[in-house]
Amino acid sequence: QVQLQESGPGLVKPSQTLSLSCTDSGGSISKGYYYWSWIRQPAGKGLEWIGRIYATGSTNYNPSLKSRVTISIDTSQNQFSLKLNSVTAADTAVYYCARDTVGITAAGVYWGRGTLVTVSS
Amino acid sequence: QSALTQPASMSGSPGQSITISCAGTNSDVGGYNYVSWYQQHPGKAPKLMIYDVSNRPSGLSNRFSGSKSGNTASLTISGLQAEDEADYYCSSYTTDGWVFGGGTKLTVL
Repeated sequence: QVQLQESGPGLVKPSQTLSLSCTDSGGSISKGYYYWSWIRQPAGKGLEWIGRIYATGSTNYNPSLKSRVTISIDTSQNQFSLKLNSVTAADTAVYYCARDTVGITAAGVYWGRGTLVTVSS
Repeated sequence: QSALTQPASMSGSPGQSITISCAGTNSDVGGYNYVSWYQQHPGKAPKLMIYDVSNRPSGLSNRFSGSKSGNTASLTISGLQAEDEADYYCSSYTTDGWVFGGGTKLTVL
C-alpha cells in the first residue's frame, strides 16, 4: 500500500533554503520505476508543479522555479527530497509529494497529505 | 509554462450535468493526450479523477468523464451529487513536465 509522508521544517526564514523529504511506508521508492513529484499550493490558490525525479536520478523542473530547485532521490533510504533556495514569502505553501503509477500518466496518482511551509522571519 | 485556463467557479443543482473547460496551447493540452483532472476537497490532498484525457482510475464513478478538442480539455460530471462540491484542477503534460490549471470551484446548489 502506498502511503506518502512529507517531512521537514514548517518555518523557514527568507533567503534561506527550504528542505523537505518524502517517504513511502510501502517501500515503493526503492522499487525504481516511478516518477516522484513535488507540487505546492499556496493558501487559497491553485496547484503548482515544482518538478519530478525518476529512480535513475533524471529530473524535470518547472521553468519558473528551475534556478532555485533541486530534487534528489535516495532509493536505499526509501525517500526523495526537495530543496528550494533563496525563499521568499511567495514560497509559503502546502507542499505535497506525489507518485505516478504504471499505466497511468499523471503528475500524481498517489499523494501525501501535504505539509505547510511558512517563510517568515 | 503558463497555467491552463479554467473558469474560476461553476454551480449546478443535484442531478444536473456540468462541464468544466480547461484551455491550453498546442505545447500542452493540444500537443499531448496526457490531460488529467483532480478533485480536491477543503484541507485534503488532490484526488486523480481522469487521466490520459478520458480514462478513469479503477473504481472511480462513471459519472465523471473527460474529453479533448484541439487545445481545450473538458471534464463532465453527470448526475451531480452534494459530495461533488469541491475544487477541480486540470493538468497537462508539457515539454518541461506538468502544468496545472488555476482550478474551478464547483458548488452544488
